Amino acid sequence: KNQVEQSPQSLIILEGKNCTLQCNYTVSPFSNLRWYKQDTGRGPVSLTIMTFSENTKSNGRYTATLDADTKQSSLHITASQLSDSASYICVVSARGNTPLVFGKGTRLSVIA
Amino acid sequence: GAGVSQTPSNKVTEKGKYVELRCDPISGHTALYWYRQSLGQGPEFLIYFQGTGAADDSGLPNDRFFAVRPEGSVSTLKIQRTERGDSAVYLCASSILGPGTDTQYFGPGTRLTVL
Repeated sequence: KNQVEQSPQSLIILEGKNCTLQCNYTVSPFSNLRWYKQDTGRGPVSLTIMTFSENTKSNGRYTATLDADTKQSSLHITASQLSDSASYICVVSARGNTPLVFGKGTRLSVIA
Repeated sequence: GAGVSQTPSNKVTEKGKYVELRCDPISGHTALYWYRQSLGQGPEFLIYFQGTGAADDSGLPNDRFFAVRPEGSVSTLKIQRTERGDSAVYLCASSILGPGTDTQYFGPGTRLTVL
């Protein structure tokens, strides 16, 4: 069964600190992996997308990594800001026009 | 419009009633998706349209749920005989082509509460 597991479930960090969120997946055949940010009361917004051949991609202070062999991805946030407080959802797509598989998300709280 | 919009933003209804949720996708996007998100969970796929037709409705939980997109733009998700378990945020997304490598752009969601 295609699944996406994320850890930790929730995380609290001090403003200015770095953090890393993890994603493991069993989706096959793999097409691409996305990280989305979802603010409270809003829809998810895409941060990064990586295909099989890419192992790192950055978007400002967000850096995503992908290890397609171990089926793991991470999202690293550098110098966190209060506005980074949100849920971060790992989303994996299988090849073909099949529905995306969403993780449950990691709830990040950045405090002053 | 500039983004995906959904109406209403909140809907409170009584058990057994019928509700309609509306989604306006980004202009020119041929693919439209409906998801349901419960508290603390990721979005759960319901149905996706390619143009006017439902390309995949495998996520609809039962026959009380139905969605249409008659002109290939606006879509309506319809829920009959609502149950308390239907309470969730219903998200709509659209993309240029389909669910492959396209980025899906999400609306703000409709929060449905069934009393």
